[in-house]
Amino acid sequence: DQQVKQNSPSLSVQEGRISILNCDYTNSMFDYFLWYKKYPAEGPTFLISISSIKDKNEDGRFTVFLNKSAKHLSLHIVPSQPGDSAVYFCAASEADSNYQLIWGAGTKLIIKP
Amino acid sequence: DVKVTQSSRYLVKRTGEKVFLECVQDMDHENMFWYRQDPGLGLRLIYFSYDVKMKEKGDIPEGYSVSREKKERFSLILESASTNQTSMYLCASSSLGSSRIGYTFGSGTRLTVV
Repeated sequence: DQQVKQNSPSLSVQEGRISILNCDYTNSMFDYFLWYKKYPAEGPTFLISISSIKDKNEDGRFTVFLNKSAKHLSLHIVPSQPGDSAVYFCAASEADSNYQLIWGAGTKLIIKP
Repeated sequence: DVKVTQSSRYLVKRTGEKVFLECVQDMDHENMFWYRQDPGLGLRLIYFSYDVKMKEKGDIPEGYSVSREKKERFSLILESASTNQTSMYLCASSSLGSSRIGYTFGSGTRLTVV
């Protein structure tokens, strides 16, 4: 059973608009969440993270929101740019886990000019 | 600049061949991982290692083995390649207790088995 779910395989957004990528999780022991971005033929790179003690974390155009009661997080990209076209992975970890991240299936974001 | 280096970007192998995928990291990380990425399935963990000569099965270890003789190197072995092992293979590393920091990934190896 998937503990981290990204239910939208793809998302298409107009350049300059807001992109919202969603992620749901089932394990209430998760206390840290990360977003990674992956271009074709490259490895994923870290984008932004959030601890469960917060409900929002911002880094430039990227903001992650966490709703613990709903077990839901979202990544907002404002404004969206062509270079944001990539696959975005959500990942989660538990406080007692030394090394394992649990990954979602990814959402392919396409920014239209 | 810290790095995880995978030895090949693209490989084409024949069914039944033994295939070695090499991964080297220069960050003195304890943990190393092998994933495969397939469309719609995300990142699936094949094997991981948290110390030299230690290995643990991930979610899909069948048909694969690993070797970690040195801290910086983690090898993935396909004992007898099959067409369903055609995929993008990603190596990653992290330091112990750093699930908060996340992983550093290599650029990936696109393996095609014909």
